[in-house]
Amino acid sequence: DQQVKQNSPSLSVQEGRISILNCDYTNSMFDYFLWYKKYPAEGPTFLISISSIKDKNEDGRFTVFLNKSAKHLSLHIVPSQPGDSAVYFCAASANFGNEKLTFGTGTRLTIIP
Amino acid sequence: ETGVTQSPTHLIKTRGQQVTLRCSSQSGHNTVSWYQQALGQGPQFIFQYYREEENGRGNFPPRFSGLQFPNYSSELNVNALELDDSALYLCASSFGAAGGETQYFGPGTRLLVL
Repeated sequence: DQQVKQNSPSLSVQEGRISILNCDYTNSMFDYFLWYKKYPAEGPTFLISISSIKDKNEDGRFTVFLNKSAKHLSLHIVPSQPGDSAVYFCAASANFGNEKLTFGTGTRLTIIP
Repeated sequence: ETGVTQSPTHLIKTRGQQVTLRCSSQSGHNTVSWYQQALGQGPQFIFQYYREEENGRGNFPPRFSGLQFPNYSSELNVNALELDDSALYLCASSFGAAGGETQYFGPGTRLLVL
């Protein structure tokens, strides 16, 4: 049972445009959500997070939006840069991040120069 | 500050064998979590060690076991290897028994079971 779903395995975006990566979850106990970025031959690195008490969190070019009623979150990257090309994982946790992380299957983002 | 390191980077084993993977946590961290990432999947939580004790376990059979040492480094042991154990094994260290952005991942060990 996939509790965190990333339905787009891949996404290509022109440099300078907005990249939107989507994630859906099914477990109502999840209240803390994170995005990780992974380059080949490296471990995932934390990008941005959001708690269920908020619906938006911004950090520079990265913004995460949370729609609790739809159990949906999205990561917006603007403007997209070639260095953003990587696999992006959505992850969720209960107890405000104090429980194990449940990851989605990832979306490979390719930024076209 | 030294990051999370894992050894070996790659490993080939045959079905039925046993394997030990190692992880050195980041300086100042006392918690290590292990994940299995199969091809085309996201990382799946195996278990977490906090101050040398198992602190939470995912849906993995008992042949997956671990240890954490006084210096907070950790081992993942898998007995009776099966073909489906072929995956990237990631460890992540953190300070305190928590998840989230406090987890720093190593580069992983890629295990192939033939």
